[in-house]
Amino acid sequence: SAVISQKPSRDICQRGTSLTIQCQVDSQVTMMFWYRQQPGQSLTLIATANQGSEATYESGFVIDKFPISRPNLTFSTLTVSNLSPEDSSIYLCSVVPGLHSYEQYFGPGTRLTVT
Amino acid sequence: QQPVQSPQAVILREGEDAVINCSSSKALYSVHWYRQKHGEAPVFLMILLKGGEQKGHEKISASFNEKKQQSSLYLTASQLSYSGTYFCGTGSGAGSYQLTFGKGTKLSVIP
Repeated sequence: SAVISQKPSRDICQRGTSLTIQCQVDSQVTMMFWYRQQPGQSLTLIATANQGSEATYESGFVIDKFPISRPNLTFSTLTVSNLSPEDSSIYLCSVVPGLHSYEQYFGPGTRLTVT
Repeated sequence: QQPVQSPQAVILREGEDAVINCSSSKALYSVHWYRQKHGEAPVFLMILLKGGEQKGHEKISASFNEKKQQSSLYLTASQLSYSGTYFCGTGSGAGSYQLTFGKGTKLSVIP
């Protein structure tokens, strides 16, 4: 597995502002993803963070709202832009550490509240 | 398409067994099982791959029926620490790492 950290762990933001979330892994990983989990709900994949190229977004998620960067194999950021109360969720990064494994591990999450 | 989990919730007494099911309407390559406790991140339990073997630890095991596109998680002799919400995540093809998660099964173990 891998040790994954996220910053911030929680934040309260005003409507119309943006929040950038960082995901740091203690070793190089093959794949990195960003998920959203609304209160009491399941996990929904936002996008695949591709190293050195644009992220691949799932249906219903767009780059203007959720810009993602992945400058290297251990780090990624997710920005949630133009915040509205509907963006209040937990945002989690996940990683697939190995080249020949499908095991996927989650970071601790960032709890975002929009007022 | 989101896999369907059943039951939605279950209450067990310590020492009892439980089965959680996950089924999909599309062909599956992988099924991943996670447990999430309140306020924490999902914790990886196990993964089953198409053509692979049934997986298991001492008291938690799982099976994958590829033809029926179903997986089951078996919890035996449950402990208080088993309480949480169990999610299955499904992958659709070899080389596909993106997961679609079910709505979860809330398991409560009581003394």
